[in-house]
Amino acid sequence: DAGITQSPRHKVTETGTPVTLRCHQTENHRYMYWYRQDPGHGLRLIHYSYGVKDTDKGEVSDGYSVSRSKTEDFLLTLESATSSQTSVYFCAISEGQNTGELFFGEGSRLTVL
Amino acid sequence: DQQVKQNSPSLSVQEGRISILNCDYTNSMFDYFLWYKKYPAEGPTFLISISSIKDKNEDGRFTVFLNKSAKHLSLHIVPSQPGDSAVYFCAASGYGNKLVFGAGTILRVKS
Repeated sequence: DAGITQSPRHKVTETGTPVTLRCHQTENHRYMYWYRQDPGHGLRLIHYSYGVKDTDKGEVSDGYSVSRSKTEDFLLTLESATSSQTSVYFCAISEGQNTGELFFGEGSRLTVL
Repeated sequence: DQQVKQNSPSLSVQEGRISILNCDYTNSMFDYFLWYKKYPAEGPTFLISISSIKDKNEDGRFTVFLNKSAKHLSLHIVPSQPGDSAVYFCAASGYGNKLVFGAGTILRVKS
């Protein structure tokens, strides 16, 4: 199994508070991704990174920011959490061979009250 | 507008029979099409893929068929087993391995 660790695995927070989710990999893969999973929508791409300090937006990036200062870590930040950001967040990694094969973490369940 | 659609939210199949999961897409520029499997409280795992230049790919009990003219792909599982019960996501890949996922189909295999 690919070495991907997400933290925290579960978090409950209140509207308006900042939240940071961490993704850590031990595979030295170049590409890292943050997806959110919601009923009826499958998984939707929030942000992705194609190298250290190289990031770009996905289809649902509003309200989220990311940072990647090291190859192994990709952080997802909600500056001011809203109830619509209650979701399960998945980090994924790939070697970037354009085959579509991603390795996913176990997910972080975020509840915004 | 959803680029990848799975129109069946759920499917129930008897053990030993064939399971057929379907997926439609709208963007003809996708390079690869994939199926991911997801168990509760776990991340999705890659199951099988097919390049846009092929029409069939087989891996054991799993076969994916691609019909480019209809922009349709399907996953066949034969024979179905109770351990196959999971959510199956269809996905399509463009540049940079940015996947676009369907909403998923819950497969239940009854023993």
